[in-house]
Amino acid sequence: AQSVTQLGSHVSVSEGALVLLRCNYSSSVPPYLFWYVQYPNQGLQLLLKYTTGATLVKGINGFEAEFKKSETSFHLTKPSAHMSDAAEYFCAVSLLLSKLTFGTGTRLQVTL
Amino acid sequence: DTEVTQTPKHLVMGMTNKKSLKCEQHMGHRAMYWYKQKAKKPPELMFVYSYEKLSINESVPSRFSPECPNSSLLNLHLHALQPEDSALYLCASSHGGGKDEQYFGPGTRLTVT
Repeated sequence: AQSVTQLGSHVSVSEGALVLLRCNYSSSVPPYLFWYVQYPNQGLQLLLKYTTGATLVKGINGFEAEFKKSETSFHLTKPSAHMSDAAEYFCAVSLLLSKLTFGTGTRLQVTL
Repeated sequence: DTEVTQTPKHLVMGMTNKKSLKCEQHMGHRAMYWYKQKAKKPPELMFVYSYEKLSINESVPSRFSPECPNSSLLNLHLHALQPEDSALYLCASSHGGGKDEQYFGPGTRLTVT
């Protein structure tokens, strides 16, 4: 069975600081991995995805993530946080039949 | 056009009402999804339609009835709901290739009184 664990339900960073949101997955076969962002009272927006090939994936809004098979991780980073990055972030894994399994989410707070 | 639209944006209904949620996409996607999201929780998959056929039903109560009239439209018919069904209902679509990314609509905020 596939699963995703997001460490830290709430992360707070200062504006301009590094953002690091952690995601570990469990899968018996190579997974497809995604990061989504959800702003209050909105749907989910795809930030980036890993399918195959290059393990460092660049997404929208300056975010990137690195697939590390040895660590079963897919952590999301951004070099410099902006106030507009405050939102809920979900890591998700897909193995088959277009079925996404989401992590529990991490709320990112950005302070001045 | 990379947009998934959902109507209505908000819906309040009594437990004896019948209502429908609508979802539309014009990206040529062949898979469409319904999710339920409670506050501070991740989305929970309810139904998947692939090439206009129901392919996944995650043991959803029969008071929720999905319908896919064509490849661009997805409906969710609601009847005799309970207050605990109050949630954000999200529609999504994807190319239908099996593990591809899903594009989400803005959701319908449903309140059952």
